[in-house]
Amino acid sequence: DSGVTQTPKHLITATGQRVTLRCSPRSGDLSVYWYQQSLDQGLQFLIQYYNGEERAKGNILERFSAQQFPDLHSELNLSSLELGDSALYFCASGMKGDSNQPQHFGDGTRLSIL
Amino acid sequence: GENVEQHPSTLSVQEGDSAVIKCTYSDSASNYFPWYKQELGKRPQLIIDIRSNVGEKKDQRIAVTLNKTAKHFSLHITETQPEDSAVYFCAASIWDFGNEKLTFGTGTRLTIIP
Repeated sequence: DSGVTQTPKHLITATGQRVTLRCSPRSGDLSVYWYQQSLDQGLQFLIQYYNGEERAKGNILERFSAQQFPDLHSELNLSSLELGDSALYFCASGMKGDSNQPQHFGDGTRLSIL
Repeated sequence: GENVEQHPSTLSVQEGDSAVIKCTYSDSASNYFPWYKQELGKRPQLIIDIRSNVGEKKDQRIAVTLNKTAKHFSLHITETQPEDSAVYFCAASIWDFGNEKLTFGTGTRLTIIP
């Protein structure tokens, strides 16, 4: 158990819909990172939040957005879903206070678009 | 931005033999290099990491070496066991306070042959 909690574990929806993925970081971690992993693909960095602020952006589509709340949990919003958005979405957390920490991953949310 | 290349993409090794996976990175400012192991359908798990001020790090059967001049780093697994079968990802980042973006390699599927 990494201490990073992601919900839901599975999500099945249709094209054009909108979904929200949730992540609770490990206790004390201030940063949350979102990654997308498509079938047989590597891990693509989407976005990082640190203590409520966006800090780094990767290959995140304009249809996707994220935020980190005062309690440090984060949500990734995916809208106007397309078949190609089907993937595993991982959240990772790190950074305790002013100390860099390795990123630890949650179990992921498997998103299936029908 | 950073680009990480990983080789080989697949590797089959007889149980008890050693396995070596190699990665190269492009940004000379990168200073943190973690390795993750991912079993099918599971989350990536950090197995070892190294910072740029260290040339080698060992943890039981696993070791990582770093050559900053050549900008490459390698994962070495000795005395391989069936449970080592998984996909291994290398990554690189600039380890900077509050702002960290991991760039992953494309993964190596390691199969241990009993």
